[in-house]
Amino acid sequence: DADVTQTPRNRITKTGKRIMLECSQTKGHDRMYWYRQDPGLGLQLIYYSFDVKDINKGEISDGYSVSRQAQAKFSLSLESAIPNQTALYFCATSDFPGSGQGNEQFFGPGTRLTVL
Amino acid sequence: GNSVTQMEGPVTLSEEAFLTINCTYTATGYPSLFWYVQYPGEGLQLLLKATKADDKGSNKGFEATYRKETTSFHLEKGSVQVSDSAVYFCALTPNAGGTSYGKLTFGQGTILTVHP
Repeated sequence: DADVTQTPRNRITKTGKRIMLECSQTKGHDRMYWYRQDPGLGLQLIYYSFDVKDINKGEISDGYSVSRQAQAKFSLSLESAIPNQTALYFCATSDFPGSGQGNEQFFGPGTRLTVL
Repeated sequence: GNSVTQMEGPVTLSEEAFLTINCTYTATGYPSLFWYVQYPGEGLQLLLKATKADDKGSNKGFEATYRKETTSFHLEKGSVQVSDSAVYFCALTPNAGGTSYGKLTFGQGTILTVHP
């Protein structure tokens, strides 16, 4: 079974709709991240959480919100979706710095979101 | 702030050709450096990493050496295969404290296509 899972894998929605993307992990990591991938732009950090009570904005948080329901679960919401939020969304996890993994992040398979 | 610059793609090679994908970075102190690979339809997975100057990361025939003097981490492979066709991302994360600690900064990605 995959260590980091994302649901749904694909979603088509309409402008103005609220949508939630979910991420679960079995790696036991405290740190979780949400990224957005657009062609030619690499990955941009939306939100990150270093533990259940610690949530921080990333580079492009406007229009998004998150919820860290448990150590293993981190959800991303688009309150009112717009077409320029059409992108590939990735969740990732990492152990604490100094754990020996060199700050490596482990990624889920991604959610392809299309906003019409 | 931190930044990563990769050579622009796409890169198209014939099987068994030599591959170089350039990556340079700007960061405070001595970050950890990574190459991630994204195969079609999949999430990112770690290809190799180096956590200090002069370290060489290697995996699956790929190599990259952490060059502090040139702030570079170029990816190389002596003989590429069709199965190496993917998007390659260079990334860094700080190794010390501060607000960026544990967060990855990505380059824009380089698309590699290998033909038989």
